Amino acid sequence: GQQVMQIPQYQHVQEGEDFTTYCNSSTTLSNIQWYKQRPGGHPVFLIQLVKSGEVKKQKRLTFQFGEAKKNSSLHITATQTTDVGTYFCAGPVYNFNKFYFGSGTKLNVKP
Amino acid sequence: GAVVSQHPSWVICKSGTSVKIECRSLDFQATTMFWYRQFPKQSLMLMATSNEGSKATYEQGVEKDKFLINHASLTLSTLTVTSAHPEDSSFYICSASKYQTGSEETQYFGPGTRLLVL
Repeated sequence: GQQVMQIPQYQHVQEGEDFTTYCNSSTTLSNIQWYKQRPGGHPVFLIQLVKSGEVKKQKRLTFQFGEAKKNSSLHITATQTTDVGTYFCAGPVYNFNKFYFGSGTKLNVKP
Repeated sequence: GAVVSQHPSWVICKSGTSVKIECRSLDFQATTMFWYRQFPKQSLMLMATSNEGSKATYEQGVEKDKFLINHASLTLSTLTVTSAHPEDSSFYICSASKYQTGSEETQYFGPGTRLLVL
């Protein structure tokens, strides 16, 4: 079964506050990808991390891949209302041609 | 870019009928396509992995005779929900990747198909 968990499930923040979502897999991932899904929309690719311990930044977003390649995090600095949506991590289990999505973290930003 | 389309975007059908959903990669060849189902306020659940020219691999608990997947060309995969029932109502999303393994390549998602079975 699919074994990629994310916490928290929901997060409500005031605009300008920071936000972090954590992704944990029970098995090693060859890489991890992050997606954002706006309400009523489909997942949109944000970034892919491949190397153990890798850190990547996209403007206010910082992505990390754990040393053991079983966990990852997405941190948003100074949230804006445009950050509203559900953030999913996803990754392939080693040697398997399939992707498993995390349970998602729904972010709500109050103006 | 890498664009994936789905058709139809919305479908309402009567219980017992079959519904076909198309997933097309418009500007690249997709050796692997994935089909997901998403219920309200839940995550995407992988249903099956489809490789061009071969049989789809279904996830545990997904009935292959109910959800027929065909990946006849490098740009088209179809999902047919046979004898649909109200519990099949969901948001069905396909994605496509460019390489055979799929594991090193980004998935590009279609816009999804909302199915409502009455």
